[in-house]
Amino acid sequence: NAGVTQTPKFQVLKTGQSMTLQCAQDMNHNSMYWYRQDPGMGLRLIYYSASEGTTDKGEVPNGYNVSRLNKREFSLRLESAAPSQTSVYFCASSAQNSGNTIYFGEGSWLTVV
Amino acid sequence: GEDVEQSLFLSVREGDSSVINCTYTDSSSTYLYWYKQEPGAGLQLLTYIFSNMDMKQDQRLTVLLNKKDKHLSLRIADTQTGDSAIYFCAEVNYGGSQGNLIFGKGTKLSVKP
Repeated sequence: NAGVTQTPKFQVLKTGQSMTLQCAQDMNHNSMYWYRQDPGMGLRLIYYSASEGTTDKGEVPNGYNVSRLNKREFSLRLESAAPSQTSVYFCASSAQNSGNTIYFGEGSWLTVV
Repeated sequence: GEDVEQSLFLSVREGDSSVINCTYTDSSSTYLYWYKQEPGAGLQLLTYIFSNMDMKQDQRLTVLLNKKDKHLSLRIADTQTGDSAIYFCAEVNYGGSQGNLIFGKGTKLSVKP
C-alpha cells in the first residue's frame, strides 16, 4: 500500500535555485493538497487541486506554483527558493472535495541556505 | 474565520490516561479529526467523529464531542511511551478552500516511563 508518495525526502537548496517536489497517490483520489509545516505554525495549505485539471491557492501560495499533471500526480515548484521557504512539505489527497479523510505523504524536508 | 485551538504540550506518566483538548469555531463542520505525527513522519489519521455523535470509542482511544461548546477531546487510556507524538485536531473548512482541513497547531504528548 503506497498511498501518498512524495520525493525527495530531503533537499538542500541555495537561495535563488529552483526545484520541484513530486507527489503521487494511488488511491484514485480526486483532491490533492500541498501543506507546509513550520514550528509553532502548525500546517498551512499552500495549494490544492479539487480535481484533475484544476488548482487553487490556499493560505500561503506566494513563491510557489503547482501542476496537477494527471489524477495521480500533483507537483509543487519553487521557482526561486528563499530561506523563508525552509520547511517540511506534505502532500496529501482525499476522495472528495469536502468532509472526507485526508491522507498524508511522509514529508519532504527542505532547507534553503 | 475558522480557527482550531489546542494546548501545545502535555506530559503524562506511562500507564496514566492522557486527555488532549481542542476547540473549534465552525459549527457546520460535519467531521472532526485527530491526526498523530511521530518524529520525522507524516500525519497519520488516528480517528474521526461525525458531528451528530457525542462519543466514539476505538480500543484505547475515546473521542468526546461537545457541539454546544465546540469542544473536542481525545482520551488515550493506559498511555504508552509509543504514544509520544504530536496530536493534531482538525475540522473541515466549508467556508474557504474546498476540502481543506483547518488544523490546530498540535499538542506534543510526552510520556515519561
